Amino acid sequence: RKEVEQDPGPFNVPEGATVAFNCTYSNSASQSFFWYRQDCRKEPKLLMSVYSSGNEDGRFTAQLNRASQYISLLIRDSKLSDSATYLCVVTATSGGSYIPTFGRGTSLIVHP
Amino acid sequence: EPEVTQTPSHQVTQMGQEVILRCVPISNHLYFYWYRQILGQKVEFLVSFYNNEISEKSEIFDDQFSVERPDGSNFTLKIRSTKLEDSAMYFCASSVDEPTEAFFGQGTRLTVV
Repeated sequence: RKEVEQDPGPFNVPEGATVAFNCTYSNSASQSFFWYRQDCRKEPKLLMSVYSSGNEDGRFTAQLNRASQYISLLIRDSKLSDSATYLCVVTATSGGSYIPTFGRGTSLIVHP
Repeated sequence: EPEVTQTPSHQVTQMGQEVILRCVPISNHLYFYWYRQILGQKVEFLVSFYNNEISEKSEIFDDQFSVERPDGSNFTLKIRSTKLEDSAMYFCASSVDEPTEAFFGQGTRLTVV
């Protein structure tokens, strides 16, 4: 069973649209949750951490549901510059250290 | 703003050769990681390093691979006897603690020919 699962997309949306990405994880002992953004052939960059209470950073809102082992990212008023791959990252342990584990990523294309 | 730096940005090597990828983590960070990403695929964990020793490694990190922190700033990944399938982007990352967020270097693109 895959540890972190995401819909690969691509999500193709017009500028100004609202788009939501989902992610599920299998390890119930997972400790921390993040969304990263990756542009083509670049490194992953931290977008935001995800908390059970939900958190918002400008146009971006992240939610965590521990009971369902589910994480979401909502992007409002999409910009052309939001086009990228969005990576769900879960820090989990198999009994040892906590290791950031990546989903495959969801590709977003924002068009004019 | 502090950042993780990696050198070289691109390395081309012949099959069977050894390569060393270098990383300078953020200075106050204690946990270091190597990941790889084959073109078009997901970011895969290779190894984590804490307190001058490997704390976790994946199935990918076999005897062909080794890591070292030769001094107080550098963190290296050595790949012995490279194979064509080792061609990938290799990312170094560091975090101040676990399980806090990890910050990534810009990557080294390794091409084995």
